[in-house]
Amino acid sequence: RKEVEQDPGPFNVPEGATVAFNCTYSNSASQSFFWYRQDCRKEPKLLMSVYSSGNEDGRFTAQLNRASQYISLLIRDSKLSDSATYLCVVTGAAGNKLTFGGGTRVLVKP
Amino acid sequence: DTAVSQTPKYLVTQMGNDKSIKCEQNLGHDTMYWYKQDSKKFLKIMFSYNNKELIINETVPNRFSPKSPDKAHLNLHINSLELGDSAVYFCASSLGTSGYEQYFGPGTRLTVT
Repeated sequence: RKEVEQDPGPFNVPEGATVAFNCTYSNSASQSFFWYRQDCRKEPKLLMSVYSSGNEDGRFTAQLNRASQYISLLIRDSKLSDSATYLCVVTGAAGNKLTFGGGTRVLVKP
Repeated sequence: DTAVSQTPKYLVTQMGNDKSIKCEQNLGHDTMYWYKQDSKKFLKIMFSYNNKELIINETVPNRFSPKSPDKAHLNLHINSLELGDSAVYFCASSLGTSGYEQYFGPGTRLTVT
């Protein structure tokens, strides 16, 4: 089993719709969780950290489920500019090494 | 101002050659990293340095040798390049080693022919 697994997609989303996807991780001792966004042929950039209590940043909501070992990302009112690959990132027990999932590709269409 | 910069952006070279990629960050961060992103888009850590000291060294062929002359710079030298080394190499930096956001450079697209 891979350390961090994501549905590669693509998720084809009509503009204005809501899309949600998950990421599972194998190491129950993982300390920190993040969502990064990567545009085509660009570097990854932090979208948001994921806190135990869940957190929201504008149209984006992230949740952590430690019991089932997954994190989720929900995007409301999708914009064309949300089209990107969303990378789930998990740190190890020591918190010093990021392990990236393979990414979930989201395509928002008019 | 560019936070994390890498040179060159593109590198095309033949098998067997030796090449270097340079990375610099002006964020005052203590920790720097090298990642490899292959054609399947998986991003995998190769090395990490904290204050010029190697702290992560993943299973990478010893043809890859990182060097950190100071905490703002982390270079990657690759000997005897192979076809399988073709990938995008990203440098990144973070404030510290544990749980901090990482800032990535624009990447170096290496093509070995």
